[in-house]
Amino acid sequence: TQLLEQSPQFLSIQEGENLTVYCNSSSVFSSLQWYRQEPGEGPVLLVTVVTGGEVKKLKRLTFQFGDARKDSSLHITAAQPGDTGLYLCASVGGPSNFGNEKLTFGTGTRLTIIP
Amino acid sequence: NAGVTQTPKFQVLKTGQSMTLQCAQDMNHEYMSWYRQDPGMGLRLIHYSVGAGITDQGEVPNGYNVSRSTTEDFPLRLLSAAPSQTSVYFCASSYSISGFYGYTFGSGTRLTVV
Repeated sequence: TQLLEQSPQFLSIQEGENLTVYCNSSSVFSSLQWYRQEPGEGPVLLVTVVTGGEVKKLKRLTFQFGDARKDSSLHITAAQPGDTGLYLCASVGGPSNFGNEKLTFGTGTRLTIIP
Repeated sequence: NAGVTQTPKFQVLKTGQSMTLQCAQDMNHEYMSWYRQDPGMGLRLIHYSVGAGITDQGEVPNGYNVSRSTTEDFPLRLLSAAPSQTSVYFCASSYSISGFYGYTFGSGTRLTVV
């Protein structure tokens, strides 16, 4: 089973600041997804990254996949209170199971944006 | 546009009782999964299905059964509830586009076993 480490575990910053959270593994990802989860709700898919070095933007959120496909980062510019939530990374399948339907989740980064 | 519907939202069971958590999706997704979420441990896969009639075990399957008789429904059965099964349970469904999957999660069932 692929282990995903997310850091930091908790992050609390002021509105308007920038932040980056990380997702790391000792194994190569076939592809990686980022989710955001709000209290009392299920995770919501934000993005899927597939290619090493890939960068995807979703408004103020920038997702980067490491060149070696063993790490990923999520950068938020000018954070807003609506960005508050639990951010989870998840690997899809494993290095030898491309197309596998199982997700392996990291333990998440709990982000709080203070107005 | 119901998406993935889970019932009930909350449940309290006594140790040894059995129950079924319901999950239904209306998106004609092939894949359905059950996860449990515990503090500090993220989401862990219990069972999953790649289509009607086909199921397989995930990371933490002990104490749970599943079946998939239709594309739409994927119930999770707790055979004999234990306090260790106190958790929030999420059902998810997914599709593939050129080999990559998009997952839609339900809003969860919060289960307490006393």
